[in-house]
Amino acid sequence: DTEVTQTPKHLVMGMTNKKSLKCEQHMGHRAMYWYKQKAKKPPELMFVYSYEKLSINESVPSRFSPECPNSSLLNLHLHALQPEDSALYLCASRGGMHRETQYFGPGTRLLVL
Amino acid sequence: DQQVKQNSPSLSVQEGRISILNCDYTNSMFDYFLWYKKYPAEGPTFLISISSIKDKNEDGRFTVFLNKSAKHLSLHIVPSQPGDSAVYFCAARNSGNTPLVFGKGTRLSVIA
Repeated sequence: DTEVTQTPKHLVMGMTNKKSLKCEQHMGHRAMYWYKQKAKKPPELMFVYSYEKLSINESVPSRFSPECPNSSLLNLHLHALQPEDSALYLCASRGGMHRETQYFGPGTRLLVL
Repeated sequence: DQQVKQNSPSLSVQEGRISILNCDYTNSMFDYFLWYKKYPAEGPTFLISISSIKDKNEDGRFTVFLNKSAKHLSLHIVPSQPGDSAVYFCAARNSGNTPLVFGKGTRLSVIA
């Protein structure tokens, strides 16, 4: 099983809203990632968590706030987003037997109005 | 500076023929390479990978070739099927907890 799940699948929010994206994996992977992907572009790394600690923040604006409550869960809290933040937000995890491979979730399609 | 390059933005292949997707990289410290397939509005799906200690890895219809001296890898799909139509991303990383570096992708269209 190489499943990474993400909720919600779609999200529409206003610029003053607060919302959260959720990611879950039960593969025992200890590295988890948030990516942002715009149309016709490759995924752009936002954050990396390793053993539930934030290890990489790719200079992401503070209106995006990641959280790793435990080894299976990764959240991305959103507040005061801008329309240009509209994108596909992807979660990935890595570890276990195929420890070099990142497995991606299906993504959350976010639209900021 | 783009460390992973996919110079062909698109490729069209007839059903049943071979699809060859190419990828070049500049960072000689990369030691693990992956190919992902992506449909619109979905997350990338892992296809196949290769470690820098190998020059070929095969999985069913998919074969990845690595030429370290040329810093080049390729993905061969044979026979190509219409369901293979998607965007294919090449990615590479160093050892350790380093991020994946993605190419810009190649859109493959397999024509029936």
